[in-house]
Amino acid sequence: DSGVTQTPKHLITATGQRVTLRCSPRSGDLSVYWYQQSLDQGLQFLIQYYNGEERAKGNILERFSAQQFPDLHSELNLSSLELGDSALYFCASSVVPLGTSGFTGELFFGEGSRLTVL
Amino acid sequence: GDSVTQMEGPVTLSEEAFLTINCTYTATGYPSLFWYVQYPGEGLQLLLKATKADDKGSNKGFEATYRKETTSFHLEKGSVQVSDSAVYFCALTIYNTDKLIFGTGTRLQVFP
Repeated sequence: DSGVTQTPKHLITATGQRVTLRCSPRSGDLSVYWYQQSLDQGLQFLIQYYNGEERAKGNILERFSAQQFPDLHSELNLSSLELGDSALYFCASSVVPLGTSGFTGELFFGEGSRLTVL
Repeated sequence: GDSVTQMEGPVTLSEEAFLTINCTYTATGYPSLFWYVQYPGEGLQLLLKATKADDKGSNKGFEATYRKETTSFHLEKGSVQVSDSAVYFCALTIYNTDKLIFGTGTRLQVFP
């Protein structure tokens, strides 16, 4: 158990709909990361937050948005869903963020939220 | 740009066979290198790491050596077990950047 909790574990929805994925990081971790894992594109970095502030952005579509709340949990919002958005969405956390001298290289991943868009 | 290239899978082995999963990288700065493992139904977890050239990372019988001259970080294990069946990801970070770049993953299947 990594200590990172993601809900829901599975989600089935229709094209055009909107969903919210939730992540609770490990206790004490201030940084949260979102990744998308699909069969054809591997593991893609979406966005990173540190202590409530956006720190880095990757290949995140404009239809997607995220935020980190004062209690450090994070939500990833996916809207106007398309078939191609079907994927496994991972949240990860670390004590210090990537790109800082204190970063050890270890991200702690949740078990993922599997989204199926029909 | 910075990237990681892994051998395509699946890699299929019998128990106790020797394992090599190749990983090469391209990096503009000074990378640290990692192997993550994803067991079925779980998230990724760090397996081992190496932060500078010639470092060897090791854990659970797996080893990988950071080879700057060949820009490689191949994962090896002398005798695999069925429980090693998983997807293995090579990854790198560049010092003082926000990048953690993963390879596409290599699925390992070990049969008794």
